[in-house]
Amino acid sequence: GAGVSQSPSNKVTEKGKDVELRCDPISGHTALYWYRQSLGQGLEFLIYFQGNSAPDKSGLPSDRFSAERTGGSVSTLTIQRTQQEDSAVYLCASSLARVEQFFGPGTRLTVL
Amino acid sequence: KNEVEQSPQNLTAQEGEFITINCSYSVGISALHWLQQHPGGGIVSLFMLSSGKKKHGRLIATINIQEKHSSLHITASHPRDSAVYICAVNSYTDKLIFGTGTRLQVFP
Repeated sequence: GAGVSQSPSNKVTEKGKDVELRCDPISGHTALYWYRQSLGQGLEFLIYFQGNSAPDKSGLPSDRFSAERTGGSVSTLTIQRTQQEDSAVYLCASSLARVEQFFGPGTRLTVL
Repeated sequence: KNEVEQSPQNLTAQEGEFITINCSYSVGISALHWLQQHPGGGIVSLFMLSSGKKKHGRLIATINIQEKHSSLHITASHPRDSAVYICAVNSYTDKLIFGTGTRLQVFP
């Protein structure tokens, strides 16, 4: 596709449920990043993939958060047993290594 | 203390004014980014810099590696420039470390 796409665009879930967020990077981009922007807060790094491996998972806030990337393309961010503090916009970006990152439109997650 | 500091946090301007947003960082970096986030939430990358100066239309970005400082300038500002401008730095592990953003409002 022409840009980074994310799905769903909005997700409302109940506390305690699991959610999966999907990111389709720009074709050919080897690096993929997940970020989070909580209401009224700045952006924070979650995890970074180079190919299918994740050299930096330092931003994942707890073991309820996990991510995978398959085929060097699509990535899924999974949040288990969601909590209200997980409510945020989850942003994905992709790039060729060490150059400009292109951001997706984000998934707005609301945990009730 | 945040690793990336921006100033000012909020900025209002009249159309046509020259605008400067500043960014200071305290970590070693491989590059610095300026990003623009519009009210709808979408983020666009404006510049990626590792040295010197870049210009794109009415936007100019500069970086001083020795002083660990960057500036984003907007010449002849316009209401459509109203957005949040975010400075972010690439650590040596490639992840971005973000500043808290500068909210710019340009009035006609």
